[in-house]
Amino acid sequence: QVQLVESGGGFVKPGGSLRLSCAASGFSFSDNSMNWIRQAPGKGLEWISYITSSGSNTYYADSAKGRFTISRDNAKNSLFLQMNSLRAEDTAMYYCARTRAYSYGVNAFDIWGRGTMVTVSS
Amino acid sequence: DIQMTQSPSSLSASVGDRVTFTCRASQNIGSYLNWYQQKPGKVPKLLICAASSLQSGVPSRFTGSGSGTDFTLTISSLQPEDFATYFCQQSFSLTPTFGQGTKVEIK
Repeated sequence: QVQLVESGGGFVKPGGSLRLSCAASGFSFSDNSMNWIRQAPGKGLEWISYITSSGSNTYYADSAKGRFTISRDNAKNSLFLQMNSLRAEDTAMYYCARTRAYSYGVNAFDIWGRGTMVTVSS
Repeated sequence: DIQMTQSPSSLSASVGDRVTFTCRASQNIGSYLNWYQQKPGKVPKLLICAASSLQSGVPSRFTGSGSGTDFTLTISSLQPEDFATYFCQQSFSLTPTFGQGTKVEIK
């Protein structure tokens, strides 16, 4: 079945780094744009980053620019998020999500993984 | 960035009630508006895209409407499984943004 499985979360000190991974299965990963979205404990959803199907274009929220890097390996059906210079406010559940293009050019996040928790604390 | 504001932040309702909540965009986003449902401890689920297109498998008691800057999500007859938090999200810009959510609680 269609599935996204994140990994790589954990505890890290402020200023540290983590690399998140997302393994895709059940669909043609290389044909789909992908995203990272996060949710701080008890808070709302925040889109972090987007990558096109080929990996040639990437976009970031202001909160991630200069610190986070999204990438993908289509041969391995995998999505990544390299997070550097982590701050306490980066503490959140990190989800990978597929972008699906609907009619009239509307995009939405139609498939979500279960998330991986990142905790930044000294 | 386009700001999305949802109201109310929370509401209490009973099974069978008709409930409506709103999402307002800080600029015209046409119909580039999606709705998600998130139950406690669960992953967000896409309910409606393009303001009013129900996703496959979503009950017909859910209705989305609006365009431009003002949007609504209506549940015609609230069911026990509908108690959750609902988020709107704009896909008009290259940097999508979500509303802060409306939590629907049991009265």
